[in-house]
Amino acid sequence: NAGVTQTPKFQVLKTGQSMTLQCAQDMNHNSMYWYRQDPGMGLRLIYYSASEGTTDKGEVPNGYNVSRLNKREFSLRLESAAPSQTSVYFCASSQDTSLNYEQYFGPGTRLTVT
Amino acid sequence: AQSVTQPDIHITVSEGASLELRCNYSYGATPYLFWYVQSPGQGLQLLLKYFSGDTLVQGIKGFEAEFKRSQSSFNLRKPSVHWSDAAEYFCAVGGSGGGADGLTFGKGTHLIIQP
Repeated sequence: NAGVTQTPKFQVLKTGQSMTLQCAQDMNHNSMYWYRQDPGMGLRLIYYSASEGTTDKGEVPNGYNVSRLNKREFSLRLESAAPSQTSVYFCASSQDTSLNYEQYFGPGTRLTVT
Repeated sequence: AQSVTQPDIHITVSEGASLELRCNYSYGATPYLFWYVQSPGQGLQLLLKYFSGDTLVQGIKGFEAEFKRSQSSFNLRKPSVHWSDAAEYFCAVGGSGGGADGLTFGKGTHLIIQP
């Protein structure tokens, strides 16, 4: 059981380049999330998707776009990377029923923008 | 909007000693509360959660937490820490729907274990 997987694990970009971070879950969860983690800041929500075909902005959505490709996959795109987007990015998923709101996290993608 | 405060950025505890990590939240209704642990270079693992019912909740790895509505707190405790408990600990709150629209995290407490 892989849980939540993320690719790539590490990435270095130059300012202005674009890239897509991939996330997939095999737990048949309805909701998926993208967070970023910066030193001393905890995790902050970028975007989330409550179900296939829907996406909503979180606390820090500027500079990012997302796609809920299907129930399993939720990608995060940086169209024109900036040094301020240097961070560790975590994808998470949850079932979101009255029985279980736990979010399961992937291992993270460490992104550096130079 | 909900918020979480973890007042201690770093805590140092001797191995075998007891531990308490503080968490205060702000939310208008009954919150959904979580404690997560993150080992270096790893993702987050859920230690325990509170939704309703008994205010003292038990988690994995010998951790427990107590929800105190009057103090808006959800402190994490462990009676005797092990060197393997050294990690970053995050308290989080979910709003309506248990956090279906995402969790709000505190800034974390870095736990150091002295031999």
